[in-house]
Amino acid sequence: AQSVSQHNHHVILSEAASLELGCNYSYGGTVNLFWYVQYPGQHLQLLLKYFSGDPLVKGIKGFEAEFIKSKFSFNLRKPSVQWSDTAEYFCAAKGGATNKLIFGTGTLLAVQP
Amino acid sequence: DGGITQSPKYLFRKEGQNVTLSCEQNLNHDAMYWYRQDPGQGLRLIYYSQIVNDFQKGDIAEGYSVSREKKESFPLTVTSAQKNPTAFYLCASSISPRGTEAFFGQGTRLTVV
Repeated sequence: AQSVSQHNHHVILSEAASLELGCNYSYGGTVNLFWYVQYPGQHLQLLLKYFSGDPLVKGIKGFEAEFIKSKFSFNLRKPSVQWSDTAEYFCAAKGGATNKLIFGTGTLLAVQP
Repeated sequence: DGGITQSPKYLFRKEGQNVTLSCEQNLNHDAMYWYRQDPGQGLRLIYYSQIVNDFQKGDIAEGYSVSREKKESFPLTVTSAQKNPTAFYLCASSISPRGTEAFFGQGTRLTVV
């Protein structure tokens, strides 16, 4: 069955620390991968996306993610987090036989000033 | 302004009543989606539609129904058969089923008392 797994449910970091959030997917065939962010009280926004080509994709606000096909992973990274990065982050995948857009369970990131 | 409009923002209903949540988009997108967001469970797909007059069940379709009579509209009915209807509901759309990322509305918080 198609699925997306996020292993970190809650992450607490101090400002300037580095961030890596894990995401694994289970899809057959071609897959498109996304990271979305939901800031407190706001709607979901796209951080970055991977369709094809360079497996290292860069998104907004200094975020990047690396698609590793052999590991079925699409981890999100940021070298130095800020207090304003406090939000919930969702990994998502679309593709396979049905083209459903499936989300992971989300990771709550709290950045302490 | 182009976008996805969900209404109302907050909705209260008595147990046993059906309720319909509205989702309208003026982005000329083919695909539309309904998700339910619960704490710790991420976004779970209820129904999705790839084109007008067509829709498929997602992972948690029981107790819900949809229609797609117009390209711009994808209403969701929460029926009395839904065992735990109190939740935050999100509607999304994308250019085509195999296309780019999905864009989200601001959500409807449904409370059943």
